[in-house]
Amino acid sequence: EVQLVESGGGLVQPGGSLRLSCAASGFTFSSYWMHWVRQAPGKGLVWVSRINSDGSSTSYADSVKGRFTISRDNAKNTLYLQMNSLRAEDTAVYYCARDADFDYYMDVWGKGTTVTVSS
Amino acid sequence: SYELTQPPSVSVSPGQTARITCSGDALPKQYAYWYQQKPGQAPVLVIYKDSERPSGIPERFSGSSSGTTVTLTISGVQAEDEADYYCQSADSSGRVFGGGTKLTVL
Repeated sequence: EVQLVESGGGLVQPGGSLRLSCAASGFTFSSYWMHWVRQAPGKGLVWVSRINSDGSSTSYADSVKGRFTISRDNAKNTLYLQMNSLRAEDTAVYYCARDADFDYYMDVWGKGTTVTVSS
Repeated sequence: SYELTQPPSVSVSPGQTARITCSGDALPKQYAYWYQQKPGQAPVLVIYKDSERPSGIPERFSGSSSGTTVTLTISGVQAEDEADYYCQSADSSGRVFGGGTKLTVL
């Protein structure tokens, strides 16, 4: 079964750091681009970042550029999101998602992990 | 990055047709995709490449495109279709989502 499972969320103080992980299974992880998408409480989906299949190319939303770093370990079938200098507005459910083959949508999503930034 | 604009809410009675629009300057050049999200769940793709329906998605879901606007149409709406719907497209750096539309089945 194709599956993505996020972990690493929690409560962190403003200015703090957190690293999210996304464990992939049921497909050849190293062949797919991957994304992080977030959703603040009661709000809509917001694209955060993406990484290509071998990790050599990354891209970020302006709101997280310079603070968040996306990476992957294809040997461990795991996607990461290192989040630094966290702000209250980063509070959200963070989803990892697989990019569809030869298209621009996300075809597999995890259930999400919750990040709360508060003092 | 550019913006995609959706109406915040749409309401229909069961059996009627719901139409949810998404507007964006880049849509004539980029495909649009539609997701359904129910409370507490991850999004599910219901339309790709403006009008294609993934396997397993009911035929009552359809999509269309005209100029800078794409439309998700749900014919014969059922109570189970009550959810948030998001359009999505791509730009040079990544992906863009619309603000979402809450579909209420009266």
